[in-house]
Amino acid sequence: DIVMTQFPDSLAVSLGERATITCKSSQSVLYNSNNKNCLGWYQQKPGQPPKLLIYWASARESGVPDRFSGSGSGTDFTLTINSLQAEDVAVYYCHQCSNSPWTFGQGTKVEIK
Amino acid sequence: QVQLVQSGPEVKKPGASVKVSCKASGYTFTSHGITWVRQAPGQGLEWMGWISTYNGNTNYAQKLHDRVTLTTVTSTTTAYMELRSLRSDDTAVYYCARLSYGRNVFDYWGQGTLVTVSS
Repeated sequence: DIVMTQFPDSLAVSLGERATITCKSSQSVLYNSNNKNCLGWYQQKPGQPPKLLIYWASARESGVPDRFSGSGSGTDFTLTINSLQAEDVAVYYCHQCSNSPWTFGQGTKVEIK
Repeated sequence: QVQLVQSGPEVKKPGASVKVSCKASGYTFTSHGITWVRQAPGQGLEWMGWISTYNGNTNYAQKLHDRVTLTTVTSTTTAYMELRSLRSDDTAVYYCARLSYGRNVFDYWGQGTLVTVSS
């Protein structure tokens, strides 16, 4: 199984500042069918289901604010939240969809400093 | 609009089975797969498997493959997840989500169903 490891487990960022979350996979998440990195990012607020933010490592889902961006390739990926807003307080998960079983990172909790 | 509405909370004894439903609406049911993800209290997300709503093909997480069965009923646009031989560590919120073909992501989610396993 591909193990997804996120750093840090939690971080506190001031309003308007940047939050950066890293996700590292134990092996490449390149998807054979299209040679893209099969890596997504989800946001989960308390008591709610996860919400898709990013797919193919850097493509923003429709309706997601442009302060959210994804980058990386191979085994190292980053989710960046520019100008953190109060509504961005949540747990963020990376997810690989290149190989079954699809696996998630352990989650990173983002709070306001 | 796309909606996935799940059945209500369940309390089961160890060794029993549970079947959770997920009613889809607002899109062509057979054009997207359905995946199931669970989340134990205070824990992260665990992918359980997915089912093709087109032909019923399934892919299960190895850890659960001998205890879980995913099915769909096209006429009612409903997906089901059955988990057998329940244990206390199966206590979790179970989510269904729509699998977006071509992107391999879960773009719409149900509200979640809490399954509690307790003697």
